[in-house]
Amino acid sequence: GENVEQHPSTLSVQEGDSAVIKCTYSDSASNYFPWYKQELGKGPQLIIDIRSNVGEKKDQRIAVTLNKTAKHFSLHITETQPEDSAVYFCAAPAYSGAGSYQLTFGKGTKLSVIP
Amino acid sequence: IAGITQAPTSQILAAGRRMTLRCTQDMRHNAMYWYRQDLGLGLRLIHYSNTAGTTGKGEVPDGYSVSRANTDDFPLTLASAVPSQTSVYFCASRPMPDSMTEAFFGQGTRLTVV
Repeated sequence: GENVEQHPSTLSVQEGDSAVIKCTYSDSASNYFPWYKQELGKGPQLIIDIRSNVGEKKDQRIAVTLNKTAKHFSLHITETQPEDSAVYFCAAPAYSGAGSYQLTFGKGTKLSVIP
Repeated sequence: IAGITQAPTSQILAAGRRMTLRCTQDMRHNAMYWYRQDLGLGLRLIHYSNTAGTTGKGEVPDGYSVSRANTDDFPLTLASAVPSQTSVYFCASRPMPDSMTEAFFGQGTRLTVV
């Protein structure tokens, strides 16, 4: 099955600096890589995703890059703001049989943006 | 816009008691999931259902059971709770159980077993 590793587990940055979170996956057939943001006391919410036919996708201050050869993908947040403080999860699809897939998640990164 | 509703929000439960966590979605999604979230361990899949009438075991299914009698509801039952089941439980859904669709999460149920 799919194994997703996420690093670092905690990350502190000064407001205005950039933050980068990296994930690796094991199944070379995986083709979809979402990123979720979880604010305190809430459920995870999708913030950006990338499919395997592209190498990079941007949405304002966040971007995701994908290297299929190396089997890793990264979340980049530029010009960080205090409201970016949260736990971030990466995920990849894991085959569960009969043509169906689940999402396997990394262990999460707690990002703290220091004003 | 409701999305996914979980109940209760939080619960303190005596060990050995039976408990059902409720999950309802109004998006007519086919696939539904139960995850538990523990510090340092991320989100781990307990059980899933690809469509109404079917269920499957995830990474950590022991001590839990689920049912999927209809599209909207996916309850998670702890038959006899133990302290190691203290966790935050999230229900999620996806339009289809394919490889390229996002998951939508509920707000979570914080369960403490004492």
